[in-house]
Amino acid sequence: EVQLVESGGGLVQPGGSLRLSCAASGFTFSDHYMDWVRQAPGKGLEWVGRVRNKANGYTTEYAASVKGRFTISRDDSKSSLYLQMNSLKTEDTAVYYCAKSYYATTAYFFDYWGQGTPVTVSS
Amino acid sequence: DIQLTQSPSFLSPSVGDRVTITCRASQGINSYLAWYQQKPGKAPKLLIYAASTLQSGVPSRFSGSGSGTEFTLTISSLQPEDFATYYCQQVRSYPITFGQGTRLEIK
Repeated sequence: EVQLVESGGGLVQPGGSLRLSCAASGFTFSDHYMDWVRQAPGKGLEWVGRVRNKANGYTTEYAASVKGRFTISRDDSKSSLYLQMNSLKTEDTAVYYCAKSYYATTAYFFDYWGQGTPVTVSS
Repeated sequence: DIQLTQSPSFLSPSVGDRVTITCRASQGINSYLAWYQQKPGKAPKLLIYAASTLQSGVPSRFSGSGSGTEFTLTISSLQPEDFATYYCQQVRSYPITFGQGTRLEIK
């Protein structure tokens, strides 16, 4: 059974940093692209970024709203995904989900999601 | 960025109704579109990918169609467990974007 379990969320002051983790199990983690998606309170879904697999050089993509402040990384030996968030702003307040990408018809869709971890940026 | 516009934003159907949700893309995305269902306090769940392919385990009353810039999600006979918010998503190009959501509430 595929499981994605996020951790590391909490309350942080504006300008602060936080590192989120996502522990994966039930699939060959190293084979898959992984993504982060967030959802502000009462709002819709916003894609944060992606890290590709080793075969694709562990390269990353980011939303413009987080580029230069957030860094996505992975440790295939631990089947874990990370989101390092720096220079946090109040508008980064959201539930953060990790998602496993599924390759189909030359594109990647999110077939499994974690339960989410809440991040609140406030003074 | 590719903008996705869902309509309607809110719907209040009855159990047994046929429901159609539309997603329009600001530029052509071929069939690089997915639909997700989200219930309050839960993570989204993949329903349809590649515009019309039903994800494993998803009931056959859900179906998707479309290509290019206009897509639809249809629920053929609404069940009580289908009251949720539905999002479309494009994966044609970065940044990956979602529609604003369509909320189904019990009439």
